[in-house]
Amino acid sequence: DVQMTQSPSNLAASPGESVSINCKASKSISKYLAWYQQKPGKANKLLIYSGSTLQSGTPSRFSGSGSGTDFTLTIRNLEPEDFGLYYCQQHNEYPYTFGAGTKLELK
Amino acid sequence: EVQLVESGGGLVQPGRSLKLSCAASGFTFSNYYMAWVRQAPKKGLEWVATISTSGSRTYYPDSVKGRFTISRDNAKSSLYLQMNSLKSEDTATYYCARHAGLGGLFDYWGQGVMVTVSS
Repeated sequence: DVQMTQSPSNLAASPGESVSINCKASKSISKYLAWYQQKPGKANKLLIYSGSTLQSGTPSRFSGSGSGTDFTLTIRNLEPEDFGLYYCQQHNEYPYTFGAGTKLELK
Repeated sequence: EVQLVESGGGLVQPGRSLKLSCAASGFTFSNYYMAWVRQAPKKGLEWVATISTSGSRTYYPDSVKGRFTISRDNAKSSLYLQMNSLKSEDTATYYCARHAGLGGLFDYWGQGVMVTVSS
């Protein structure tokens, strides 16, 4: 199985700042990495797929980069609604696997 | 508007069975692969099962293979997860999710249903 290692596990930032979350796969997954946002009381939201493609409705302040084993989610000019949990997921092969999550908190 | 609404969760003893349901609306259910993803308390997400559009193909990780069965009724726009021989480590919130067109992506999720396995 492909192990996904996400870092950091916790991140504190203020509105207007930029943050980056990293995800490392245990073997090459080509470009097939997705990012999800999880917030209490809301359905999980697909933000980015295939490494850098924004899902319809994802604000342009979100961006994804990387390929092979190393990927990054960057959020520029943080908005109050961006605080929550973020998960990476490889969608290259079964079994689909997720990172352990990054909690983005308000500083 | 795509909606996925899970039901059937609850408290169950180890070794017993439980069946989850997911009612889908707002899209042509029979055109999409569907999946279950779970999240243990304070833990990350774990993919549990996927089913093809017709139901003829199913996929599971080793952690549930042989114990869980995913199925669907396209006429009722419903997805199911039969869980047998439940263990304490199956305690989690179970989410119904729609596969996006591109492989293992999940573009819509339900709000989840809690399953607690305890004596």
